Amino acid sequence: LAKTTQPISMDSYEGQEVNITCSHNNIATNDYITWYQQFPSQGPRFIIQGYKTKVTNEVASLFIPADRKSSTLSLPRVSLSDTAVYYCLVGGLTGGGNKLTFGTGTQLKVEL
Amino acid sequence: DTEVTQTPKHLVMGMTNKKSLKCEQHMGHRAMYWYKQKAKKPPELMFVYSYEKLSINESVPSRFSPECPNSSLLNLHLHALQPEDSALYLCASSLQTGHSGNTIYFGEGSWLTVV
Repeated sequence: LAKTTQPISMDSYEGQEVNITCSHNNIATNDYITWYQQFPSQGPRFIIQGYKTKVTNEVASLFIPADRKSSTLSLPRVSLSDTAVYYCLVGGLTGGGNKLTFGTGTQLKVEL
Repeated sequence: DTEVTQTPKHLVMGMTNKKSLKCEQHMGHRAMYWYKQKAKKPPELMFVYSYEKLSINESVPSRFSPECPNSSLLNLHLHALQPEDSALYLCASSLQTGHSGNTIYFGEGSWLTVV
């Protein structure tokens, strides 16, 4: 199963763009890349998912280079409420099903 | 509506008690999951159900017993737990398990405290 590596923590200020990069060197051909956001004492919330190139939705963009060995979550103009842990997950398919495994995540702290 | 509902939100139980955590989804998903999350740690996969059949058990102790009565419901039966089992238990679901592009949606979790 593909293992992911992210920075443990990042700090930013309100209104700035934040880019969180995730490394997944052994990503498999069929693996998708998914990002989740988690606030304390809540379940992870789906942010965005992609397979290659660029994906954009109303809250974030996901950039995936051609070799797919890394991905970057981009959060435009962050606010205090974006302070959370962000997880990058890759693939997880096995013979028994989807063993989506969480890495350590990135604690994003947004300040005024 | 991408909603996974978990009950109860909080549960305190003694080490000799038997209790259950419940999870429900009405999105037509055929895959359901249980994760366990300790404080300041990432969620850890416990069980995966696919089409109401247990497909993955991550070597979870038998004091945790999952059950999938139908495609919308998932239970986690708890018996003879230890204080170290205190954690946030997360239920999740996805359309199916056969494609890694199927988004997994999580509930808000059930906080379990074992005393």
